[in-house]
Amino acid sequence: GESVGLHLPTLSVQEGDNSIINCAYSNSASDYFIWYKQESGKGPQFIIDIRSNMDKRQGQRVTVLLNKTVKHLSLQIAATQPGDSAVYFCAGGRGRGSTLGRLYFGRGTQLTVWP
Amino acid sequence: DSGVTQTPKHLITATGQRVTLRCSPRSGDLSVYWYQQSLDQGLQFLIQYYNGEERAKGNILERFSAQQFPDLHSELNLSSLELGDSALYFCASSENPGQGSNEQFFGPGTRLTVL
Repeated sequence: GESVGLHLPTLSVQEGDNSIINCAYSNSASDYFIWYKQESGKGPQFIIDIRSNMDKRQGQRVTVLLNKTVKHLSLQIAATQPGDSAVYFCAGGRGRGSTLGRLYFGRGTQLTVWP
Repeated sequence: DSGVTQTPKHLITATGQRVTLRCSPRSGDLSVYWYQQSLDQGLQFLIQYYNGEERAKGNILERFSAQQFPDLHSELNLSSLELGDSALYFCASSENPGQGSNEQFFGPGTRLTVL
């Protein structure tokens, strides 16, 4: 089966610093990966996605890097703000086949931003 | 606000009981997904429906069932409840998987507590 997991369960950063959240996956069959942010008491919220044929994608203050050689992806948040404090999940999905649309989630990293 | 609604927000019940969780997808989304989030298992995919038909099954127990109605809302039925079924249950919706965006929009979740 597919497994997507995170390296660290918690990450604490100072406001204004850059944050890097890592994720490793075991199955190279994923066609895309998504980063979700989940604030306390809320459902996961889409941050950014990347297709498996890309190695980098940038959004607003966020960058996702994908290294297929070592089956690793990361989420970089620039100038981290207190509002970024949340649990961050990586998820992998397939764009075809019987598991089309299904997401496999990692366990999450709790990001805490200190003022 | 993701546009996905779930009711009820909280549900407290006893072991052996049966409950129904309801989800209304974003306007225009044909796919509905159900996920279970517990402390020790993270976000686990349960089942997916597309335009009224079951498309994929994940780690869903036989005591659980779901359906998607002609108006595209979905219900997740949990029966013979056990203490271990206590968790957050999320519904998500998306456009037709494999065509366009991979993003799934999550509802606020239903917190189920089995006593």
